[in-house]
Amino acid sequence: AQSVTQLGSHVSVSEGALVLLRCNYSSSVPPYLFWYVQYPNQGLQLLLKYTSAATLVKGINGFEAEFKKSETSFHLTKPSAHMSDAAEYFCAVGSFRAGNMLTFGGGTRLMVKP
Amino acid sequence: DAGVIQSPRHEVTEMGQEVTLRCKPISGHDYLFWYRQTMMRGLELLIYFNNNVPIDDSGMPEDRFSAKMPNASFSTLKIQPSEPRDSAVYFCASSPSQGAQGNGYTFGSGTRLTVV
Repeated sequence: AQSVTQLGSHVSVSEGALVLLRCNYSSSVPPYLFWYVQYPNQGLQLLLKYTSAATLVKGINGFEAEFKKSETSFHLTKPSAHMSDAAEYFCAVGSFRAGNMLTFGGGTRLMVKP
Repeated sequence: DAGVIQSPRHEVTEMGQEVTLRCKPISGHDYLFWYRQTMMRGLELLIYFNNNVPIDDSGMPEDRFSAKMPNASFSTLKIQPSEPRDSAVYFCASSPSQGAQGNGYTFGSGTRLTVV
C-alpha cells in the first residue's frame, strides 16, 4: 500500500520568501514521486517528478524537490515566492508495483502576500 | 497534442436531471481516470479504465453515477438523477502504460458542475 501526507493544508508566505511545502510518503517498494500544481479554475499540471534518478529534482517555475529516503520525504521548495505561485499543490506517489495508480495527498494551498 | 479534453467546462442543471460529462484522452494513452474535487473531500478517484475496460469503480459514490468508455478516444461520466450534493469539479486524466509509473497523469481542465 502507498500513501501520502501533506503537512499543512494552507501555507502563507510573503513575496520573495522561501516556499516550503511538505510531503511525506509511505511505500513498501521504491516510490515514484510527483508534485502537481493547480491554479484557480484549472486542472492539475505536473510540476516535477522523481523516478529513481537524481534525488534533487528541478521543475518548472523555479521549484525543486529533494527525495530523502531516510525521511520518506519529498518536500517542495522555491527560494523566492512570486505572487503567481499562489495555487494548490498536490504531492503524489506511485510505484512499479502499483502499476498506473498514483495516490494523491490532500493538497496544500499556497498563499503569497505582497 | 491538444492534451486531455473535457466538455463542457461548466454545467448548471436542475436537481433530478441527467448530466453527462465527456472526456477525450491523449492519443496513445490507455489509462483513463475520472476524479471529483470538492472543498470538503478534496480530490477523489471515482473510476479508472485500462484499454477501455473499467478496472476499479469502487470510488463511484452510488448507483446514480455511471461511466463508459466505448472506444480509446472517448469516455463519459453520467449522473442520473443529479442532486445538489453532486456539485463539484470533475476531472478526467489519462496516462500511457509504457513507462507509466514515471510519467504520471495528464489532467484535463475539468467540468464544473452545479446542481440547483
